[in-house]
Amino acid sequence: AQTVTQSQPEMSVQEAETVTLSCTYDTSESDYYLFWYKQPPSRQMILVIRQEAYKQQNATENRFSVNFQKAAKSFSLKISDSQLGDAAMYFCACFYTGANSKLTFGKGITLSVRP
Amino acid sequence: GAGVSQSPRYKVAKRGQDVALRCDPISGHVSLFWYQQALGQGPEFLTYFQNEAQLDKSGLPSDRFFAERPEGSVSTLKIQRTQQEDSAVYLCASSLALSRFTGELFFGEGSRLTVL
Repeated sequence: AQTVTQSQPEMSVQEAETVTLSCTYDTSESDYYLFWYKQPPSRQMILVIRQEAYKQQNATENRFSVNFQKAAKSFSLKISDSQLGDAAMYFCACFYTGANSKLTFGKGITLSVRP
Repeated sequence: GAGVSQSPRYKVAKRGQDVALRCDPISGHVSLFWYQQALGQGPEFLTYFQNEAQLDKSGLPSDRFFAERPEGSVSTLKIQRTQQEDSAVYLCASSLALSRFTGELFFGEGSRLTVL
């Protein structure tokens, strides 16, 4: 079984500042994928960024980047130049490439952005 | 359509009633997933379809839950004899990929079920 832990239920950031959302995971598999999903109040989840476990280079998508520490099983999301539209729930998720794998989500973190 | 469409968006049911939730995935998407999201929690996997085949239903919480996708496009999640603990948002997601592992999931807005 795999688990994903997001220990911070809420975070707040000033507009234009940088914020880091934490995530740890636990899987015994060697080949897996990690994701950050954003869920705005309308509840439609959208993919923010993904990371393949076999890649050492941290994924980057515009203002979003990850710090992937495979040995520590840590996968944090950094949002630079925060914007009001970044306010949402953010979910970290993981699945491994094995039979009957399931995309496992953390409990999420609510990010608010102060103008 | 342009995105994953779910209906109804909101459903209130009396305990013991049967409900049916519909998911219309993005045209051509092979993979379809159902998730249950309780208030304040992350989504929990329910079931997975590849075309019309239900390949994994291990997340369905009881035999009161049933899902189908008879023609490989629209899917219906049915809950029989609803209980209060069934109250949640039910999310549908689809993916173009044949493999359940590599494709980006596109989510619908969800169906919020409240059981009184």
